[in-house]
Amino acid sequence: GAVVSQHPSWVICKSGTSVKIECRSLDFQATTMFWYRQFPKQSLMLMATSNEGSKATYEQGVEKDKFLINHASLTLSTLTVTSAHPEDSSFYICSARDWSLHSGANVLTFGAGSRLTVL
Amino acid sequence: DAKTTQPPSMDCAEGRAANLPCNHSTISGNEYVYWYRQIHSQGPQYIIHGLKNNETNEMASLIITEDRKSSTLILPHATLRDTAVYYCIVTFERGATNKLIFGTGTLLAVQP
Repeated sequence: GAVVSQHPSWVICKSGTSVKIECRSLDFQATTMFWYRQFPKQSLMLMATSNEGSKATYEQGVEKDKFLINHASLTLSTLTVTSAHPEDSSFYICSARDWSLHSGANVLTFGAGSRLTVL
Repeated sequence: DAKTTQPPSMDCAEGRAANLPCNHSTISGNEYVYWYRQIHSQGPQYIIHGLKNNETNEMASLIITEDRKSSTLILPHATLRDTAVYYCIVTFERGATNKLIFGTGTLLAVQP
């Protein structure tokens, strides 16, 4: 089946630094990937839609200059949290679709997530 | 996409069937019902989806009412590893940019 890999799985950084999270589709190509954020005991919140070869589409209230998304290839999307602050500490999860599975249904495969802690 | 309503939490005894309800009274004719679950500190996992017929796979069964305004996810023999938050999502089947919007879900606690 489809596998989405995220790296790093956890990261601790100092306030003011930038952190990059990678999301890879391992055995399929993904022209579109989705980035979610999840705070403790809350549901997943969609941050943005990452589009291969074009600009990402951000959800309302998500700062595009703070959360930089690059989707340079059909198997890799990156999320960079710029000038991170403690309030950016969260669980970041990416996802993608393998259209060859589930008869083309709208099924997302999720990565294992990346836990960011900003000190 | 239509909104869904789920109970915040449920308990189930190990080995028994877990029946998780979901209300989606504003579902449109071409929207599907999807179920995902999230085990603590992991990414969500797809379980099953359906349009109007009941569906079954190796993980679960999905029962959709005839008017499609509600559905039930059934885990036939719950195990401790099924403890997770279960999300019911209504969305269209196709479309590369179709977004999955998660609600609050149901925390299923399987008790030994």
